[in-house]
Amino acid sequence: KNQVEQSPQSLIILEGKNCTLQCNYTVSPFSNLRWYKQDTGRGPVSLTIMTFSENTKSNGRYTATLDADTKQSSLHITASQLSDSASYICVVRAGGYNKLIFGAGTRLAVHP
Amino acid sequence: DTGVSQNPRHKITKRGQNVTFRCDPISEHNRLYWYRQTLGQGPEFLTYFQNEAQLEKSRLLSDRFSAERPKGSFSTLEIQRTEQGDSAMYLCASSSSLDRTYNEQFFGPGTRLTVL
Repeated sequence: KNQVEQSPQSLIILEGKNCTLQCNYTVSPFSNLRWYKQDTGRGPVSLTIMTFSENTKSNGRYTATLDADTKQSSLHITASQLSDSASYICVVRAGGYNKLIFGAGTRLAVHP
Repeated sequence: DTGVSQNPRHKITKRGQNVTFRCDPISEHNRLYWYRQTLGQGPEFLTYFQNEAQLEKSRLLSDRFSAERPKGSFSTLEIQRTEQGDSAMYLCASSSSLDRTYNEQFFGPGTRLTVL
């Protein structure tokens, strides 16, 4: 069964600190993996997309890594800001399909 | 604003009533998707259109749900005889078949449905 699992479920950090969110997937065949940021009551916004051949991709203070062998990905947030408070969702696209498989998300709270 | 738009943003209805939501995708995108998201969960796929053709429907889409995209542009999602379990955020996304590498989907702000 195609699944995407994320950890931790929720996280609280202080402003200025770094954090890393984890994503494990069992999706076959794999096409690409995305990280989305979703503010409360809003639609998801794409942060990064990586294909099988891409091991790391950055978008400002966000850096995503992908290990296709172990089927794991991480999202590292550097020098967190209050505006980083949101849910971060890991999403995998199965090859040949146009639908996406979503994780449940990690809810990040950045406190001053 | 050239992003995906959805209307209404919020809808409160009584159980048993019908509701209809609208999604306007990014103008050059030929693919359109509907998702449902409940509190604390990631979105779940409902259905997918390429142009005006509905190519895939999830088993989550019961007989009470119907989606259309008559002219290959905007889409509507109708829920008949709403139930309290239908309360959720309904998200629309669009993408272009020309984006062969990523097929990146751009999401709208969602319609929050509350069934009393």
